[in-house]
Amino acid sequence: GAVVSQHPSRVICKSGTSVKIECRSLDFQATTMFWYRQFPKQSLMLMATSNEGSKATYEQGVEKDKFLINHASLTLSTLTVTSAHPEDSSFYICSARDWSGELFFGEGSRLTVL
Amino acid sequence: AQSVAQPEDQVNVAEGNPLTVKCTYSVSGNPYLFWYVQYPNRGLQFLLKYITGDNLVKGSYGFEAEFNKSQTSFHLKKPSALVSDSALYFCAVRDTGNTPLVFGKGTRLSVIA
Repeated sequence: GAVVSQHPSRVICKSGTSVKIECRSLDFQATTMFWYRQFPKQSLMLMATSNEGSKATYEQGVEKDKFLINHASLTLSTLTVTSAHPEDSSFYICSARDWSGELFFGEGSRLTVL
Repeated sequence: AQSVAQPEDQVNVAEGNPLTVKCTYSVSGNPYLFWYVQYPNRGLQFLLKYITGDNLVKGSYGFEAEFNKSQTSFHLKKPSALVSDSALYFCAVRDTGNTPLVFGKGTRLSVIA
């Protein structure tokens, strides 16, 4: 089946720095990718919808200047957490939709901000 | 707007016994329903989906789910649980092919040997 790769799987950074997480569709083109955030023992919260070549659509309550999303190609979307703080520590998961509408999820990226 | 309810935070079952993980949904149109499984520190793995057709959907690893329109439910079932089935299970719904998935809060399944 289709594969979505997320990198890095784990990242630790200092407070105030920025961190970039990549989401790649390895064997299909994804016009739409979704970014989710998952708090410990909680469900996935949709952060934003990323469409190739256009600005991301953010969910209510998600700071677009804090969580920068770029979808520059049909196989890559990036999430940059800017000026990270400890409360940004979380598990971030991306998903990519193929031409048929099928969704495939990445393995997730655990961010720890010290 | 669509929503999903998973009423149980935790389900415990003995190995070899049948298991059920409950899910109810709310959508304005026809539902697209999904079940995913998540192991610790991993992403989501697709189990099965209902789009249209037969109400009983068979998926990966011996799991199945039954779509019940009158009860707006999509419970996940397996006839004989394995210890390796222990994980976090998410039910998800969307109302068209282009809207994002909305997830339930998840149900932790624990299968005891």
